[in-house]
Formats: sequence, C-alpha cells, structure tokens
Amino acid sequence: RKEVEQDPGPFNVPEGATVAFNCTYSNSASQSFFWYRQDCRKEPKLLMSVYSSGNEDGRFTAQLNRASQYISLLIRDSKLSDSATYLCVVTRPQGFSGGYNKLIFGAGTRLAVHP
Amino acid sequence: SQTIHQWPATLVQPVGSPLSLECTVEGTSNPNLYWYRQAAGRGLQLLFYSVGIGQISSEVPQNLSASRPQDRQFILSSKKLLLSDSGFYLCAWRRGESTDTQYFGPGTRLTVL
Repeated sequence: RKEVEQDPGPFNVPEGATVAFNCTYSNSASQSFFWYRQDCRKEPKLLMSVYSSGNEDGRFTAQLNRASQYISLLIRDSKLSDSATYLCVVTRPQGFSGGYNKLIFGAGTRLAVHP
Repeated sequence: SQTIHQWPATLVQPVGSPLSLECTVEGTSNPNLYWYRQAAGRGLQLLFYSVGIGQISSEVPQNLSASRPQDRQFILSSKKLLLSDSGFYLCAWRRGESTDTQYFGPGTRLTVL
C-alpha cells in the first residue's frame, strides 16, 4: 500500500463547477499536511497547509480527518486557471531527536477545467 | 524575499557522461536543502537532503551524489549517467526546524539518451 494515495483522475469539469479531491495516508504519526499544485512541466507550488480544524483560502477549502487518515481539497467556482495536478503531501517523522519530517508526496490528481 | 534558482533548465546528455546540476537559494541563511527526482507520470522521490555545509544524507542508493560546498549552494552530480536517470530534478529548501513546508526551484529536465 502506498503511503499517500490519491485518485489520479483526470477530473474534467466545466468552469464554475465545484470539485473535490480526496487523499488517504497510512502513517498515523504524520503531523503536517499540505496540498501542492503542479502545472505541466513546472515545479510544485504550495497551495495550502491543512489543519485539523479545516481551513479556507478563497475558493479553496482543505479538511483533515486524523481518525480516518483522510485529507480533502474542495475547489469552488472552478476557473480555467485551476487546471493542474494537485499533490497531497504528508510528513513522515524520522523518529530521532533533531530529525526532520520527511515529506511524502502522492502521485497527484489531475484537474482539467474546460469552458 | 527568498528565491531559489536551478540550472540548467534543460539538459540532454548521452549515457555514460557526467552530470552536474546546481541549486542556489537567496534571501535566507542556513536553509535545509533537498534534491528530488520526478520521473514521467510519477510522484516525487527524495534523493538527498542537507542540513548544513558538507552535511549530506542520501535517501536511496543510486549512481548520484550531492554536495553542499556553501551555505546556499547544493549540487547534484553523477560520474556516469544511466538511461534511468532521466527525469525532472527539483531542488527545494526549508526554513530551519520550525516548519515542514518546502519550497521548490524551477527544476532541471534531464534526458539521458
């Protein structure tokens, strides 16, 4: 089983649609959670961190369910410019003092927004 | 503000040739630095990370190596490239120990023929 699993998509949606991406992770010790966005042939860029209480940034809402080890990203009123691959990222603690938390990336979910 | 640079942007190399990719970070000191590879259609794989000058940790065995000769410079090298080394190489930085967030450079797209 992969440590971070995402539906690869693609999700093809019209402009203005609401789309939700899901992600599950296997390591219950994970402490930090993120969504990154990656445009075609570009570097990943941080979209938002995900907090236990849920957080919203404009049209984007992220939710975390630690009990189910599940993370979601909701995009409302989709724009053409939202077309990209969305990467779910969790940390894997290294288990030693002073050790950093390794980022584990999902393979990504591709979104295509059409007119 | 902090910026991260990588060069070259693209590279086509024959099998067996050497490799040197460079990453530099501006606007911060003593960053944690990372090298990742993303193969076509695959997720990001961590190759190396560094917490300071001359301190390199390797994540996977391979024919690649990394060095950190200066605080804000991270270099990825190989003596002899393999076909399987083709991919998108990304450098990332993290601001110290207080955050897990990493920020990526623009990447180098390497094709080994």
